[in-house]
Amino acid sequence: GQQVMQIPQYQHVQEGEDFTTYCNSSTTLSNIQWYKQRPGGHPVFLIQLVKSGEVKKQKRLTFQFGEAKKNSSLHITATQTTDVGTYFCAPRYTGRRALTFGSGTRLQVQP
Amino acid sequence: GAVVSQHPSWVICKSGTSVKIECRSLDFQATTMFWYRQFPKQSLMLMATSNEGSKATYEQGVEKDKFLINHASLTLSTLTVTSAHPEDSSFYICGYVRGRITNMLNTEAFFGQGTRLTVV
Repeated sequence: GQQVMQIPQYQHVQEGEDFTTYCNSSTTLSNIQWYKQRPGGHPVFLIQLVKSGEVKKQKRLTFQFGEAKKNSSLHITATQTTDVGTYFCAPRYTGRRALTFGSGTRLQVQP
Repeated sequence: GAVVSQHPSWVICKSGTSVKIECRSLDFQATTMFWYRQFPKQSLMLMATSNEGSKATYEQGVEKDKFLINHASLTLSTLTVTSAHPEDSSFYICGYVRGRITNMLNTEAFFGQGTRLTVV
């Protein structure tokens, strides 16, 4: 199937600046997950959003699920060098067992 | 969190040979495992879903005769790249979900460390 697009593809920020990545699907999702992959590493689960309009926070990270359950965002406040990596959304569709990933947003943080 | 052990972490092989990659779930019995391929600076592309005790489900465009997947037990799945070619050089990652896929909840996935395959 078609891969869900994330924007931007790449972002370079100064440490302390905010960062946001968006994940957009053309079809309604059952739920959505977010993962982080450090350079050379494997994906690590961050969060799962299930309900329409849901907002969840993890320290400096804020995750949102759109009202129509077609898009989602991840916002990082006051980035740190430890935030460097690629952030992937993983949209889940009703009736589909497979776990697929969005195109990803690579974040670089300048100290 | 759950632990997945993937072996080897890197391998170099000659064109035409086969390579087997193992993926073990160390603290959970996984009925479903996923295999992905990732090229540099790209996303993880799902190759197949491996089901314990039954045939794997391959994604469109993935050759099932070239990428042999075996999921013989609840803790071990293997991916064999047969007759490898340089274009098969990539980062291969396995993963499994902890919860039940059918109810779509608690389906956090855990991943192995990945295997970097280089075919020369």
